Amino acid sequence: KNQVEQSPQSLIILEGKNCTLQCNYTVSPFSNLRWYKQDTGRGPVSLTIMTFSENTKSNGRYTATLDADTKQSSLHITASQLSDSASYICVVSDRGSTLGRLYFGRGTQLTVWP
Amino acid sequence: EADIYQTPRYLVIGTGKKITLECSQTMGHDKMYWYQQDPGMELHLIHYSYGVNSTEKGDLSSESTVSRIRTEHFPLTLESARPSHTSQYLCASSELGPGLYEQYFGPGTRLTVT
Repeated sequence: KNQVEQSPQSLIILEGKNCTLQCNYTVSPFSNLRWYKQDTGRGPVSLTIMTFSENTKSNGRYTATLDADTKQSSLHITASQLSDSASYICVVSDRGSTLGRLYFGRGTQLTVWP
Repeated sequence: EADIYQTPRYLVIGTGKKITLECSQTMGHDKMYWYQQDPGMELHLIHYSYGVNSTEKGDLSSESTVSRIRTEHFPLTLESARPSHTSQYLCASSELGPGLYEQYFGPGTRLTVT
């Protein structure tokens, strides 16, 4: 069964600290992995997209890594800010169809305290 | 910021009422989607469309229906709302074709059926 599991479920950190969120997936065949940020009451916004051949991608203070062999990804946030408080969702796309299908994790709820 | 809009943002309605959730995008995207998301849970695809006059059911069975008469417009209709329909509904759009494609999400409609 194709699944995307994220950990931790929730995380609280102090402003200025770094943190790392984890994503494990069983989706096969694999096409790409995305990380989204979803603010409360808003739609998800894309942070990074990585294909099989990419093992790291950065977007400002966000750095995603991908190990396609172990089917694991992480999202590292550097020097956290209050505005980073949100749910971070890992999404994996398969190559089962021409257009691919997206499998969503339940997200990690990050809270940044001042 | 993606140019995809949803109205209303919040809706509280009584059981048995007919409702239509509006979604429109100005990016000229061929593919559009409707997702349902409950608090703390993953997004579930309920409908999608490849273009005008194309509609397909998603992975999660839904009593809602959709139409695609214009490229930019993809409304979702519930003929008779029930408390079990209480959820957040997210609309998204993307380009059509092979390769990586970014999904852009609207802000969502929070539906409460009493």
